[in-house]
Amino acid sequence: GQNIDQPTEMTATEGAIVQINCTYQTSGFNGLFWYQQHAGEAPTFLSYNVLDGLEEKGRFSSFLSRSKGYSYLLLKELQMKDSASYLCAVKNDYKLSFGAGTTVTVRA
Amino acid sequence: KAGVTQTPRYLIKTRGQQVTLSCSPISGHRSVSWYQQTPGQGLQFLFEYFSETQRNKGNFPGRFSGRQFSNSRSEMNVSTLELGDSALYLCASSLMANNEQFFGPGTRLTVL
Repeated sequence: GQNIDQPTEMTATEGAIVQINCTYQTSGFNGLFWYQQHAGEAPTFLSYNVLDGLEEKGRFSSFLSRSKGYSYLLLKELQMKDSASYLCAVKNDYKLSFGAGTTVTVRA
Repeated sequence: KAGVTQTPRYLIKTRGQQVTLSCSPISGHRSVSWYQQTPGQGLQFLFEYFSETQRNKGNFPGRFSGRQFSNSRSEMNVSTLELGDSALYLCASSLMANNEQFFGPGTRLTVL
């Protein structure tokens, strides 16, 4: 089966840094994705990790440790528009399994 | 490049009816996946198609089915609708199996 855990909610101040952790236990692994979803909208792709290490893309970075079944998404220089749900998802056998999502609230 | 399109955007049905939802992937994308999103269960995988073949299916009853056409467009069908089928149904396409998926705006289905 698939078990993907991430915190339910996080709050941070504009300009700050927030780290969203994701742990997973899956029967197989073909990669880990992070998606952002604003309320009432479809998820949009943020990052993809298939090998261990850090992937950096602008203000967003994602890290993966396959041996630990662990990933994190780092959001730097937070902006109000970053208030959204962040979804961790594991790919296996053409199937993407999502965590429940972490709602990030950015306060002025 | 046009994104993933889904029709209809909103749908209201009554229990026992059936419904067909349509998804047109990004041009050139051959993999199409369907998901159900509800506040209680989050995003759950329904099925994935590639070149008209279903390669994986989630844990949903047989009332949920789908297909993909030769032009990569896909449809999903839900028969004998139940109140619990009320959800946002999302379609996503990708170039290959392990590439990022691009989501459509979804179809909001309400079952009364």
